[in-house]
Amino acid sequence: KNEVEQSPQNLTAQEGEFITINCSYSVGISALHWLQQHPGGGIVSLFMLSSGKKKHGRLIATINIQEKHSSLHITASHPRDSAVYICAVRGYGGSQGNLIFGKGTKLSVKP
Amino acid sequence: GAGVSQSPSNKVTEKGKDVELRCDPISGHTALYWYRQRLGQGLEFLIYFQGNSAPDKSGLPSDRFSAERTGESVSTLTIQRTQQEDSAVYLCASSLQGAIDEQYFGPGTRLTVT
Repeated sequence: KNEVEQSPQNLTAQEGEFITINCSYSVGISALHWLQQHPGGGIVSLFMLSSGKKKHGRLIATINIQEKHSSLHITASHPRDSAVYICAVRGYGGSQGNLIFGKGTKLSVKP
Repeated sequence: GAGVSQSPSNKVTEKGKDVELRCDPISGHTALYWYRQRLGQGLEFLIYFQGNSAPDKSGLPSDRFSAERTGESVSTLTIQRTQQEDSAVYLCASSLQGAIDEQYFGPGTRLTVT
C-alpha cells in the first residue's frame, strides 16, 4: 500500500463545476504539499499546509491531521485548470527534505 | 526574478555512458532538491541539499547516482554507466530556507537512455 493515496486517479469535469481531489496518507507528517503539473511537464507548488485550510483564488486546500486526509477544491473550474494535481507529504525525522508523493490526479476540464 | 533553471532540457545517451545534469537554483535559496519522474509514474525524491549540512542522499537508487552542490548555488546530478531504466525526467527544485518552505521547480531534464 502506498504511503500517499490520491483519489480519483482521473477526473473529467465540465467548465464551471466544483472539483474535489482527495489525498490520504498513512505516516505522521509535518507538512503536506499540493502541486500542479501542467501538460508540458512544469510543476508549480500550490499549497503547503500543516493544519486547517488555505485559499488562493479559486483553489482551497484543507487538511485534517487526525484523519490523515487532505482535500484540494477548485471552484468554478476552467479548462486551464486541466493538469495533474499531486499530493506530497513531509514526514518527521531525518532531514525532512524527503517528500513522499502520491501518484497524482489527472484533471480534464471540458469547455 | 529568474526561476530555477536546468540544463540540458533533453539528453539522449547510449547505455553505459555517464551523464551530468545541471541545476541552477533561485539566487539566495539555501535548499535544493533533485527528483525523478519516470514515464507514467509519480515523482521520486533523490537527494536534498540544505546549506552546509551533509546532503540527504536517502533517495538515490544506486551508487551510480551522485550529486554535488557548490555552496548555495549550482548543483550537478551525475549518473554513471547509464541504464535504460534511468530514462526519466529529472527535476530540480529549490526553496528559501529549507524543507519548511515552498519549493520552486525547474522545467526538468528529459533523459533518454538508448
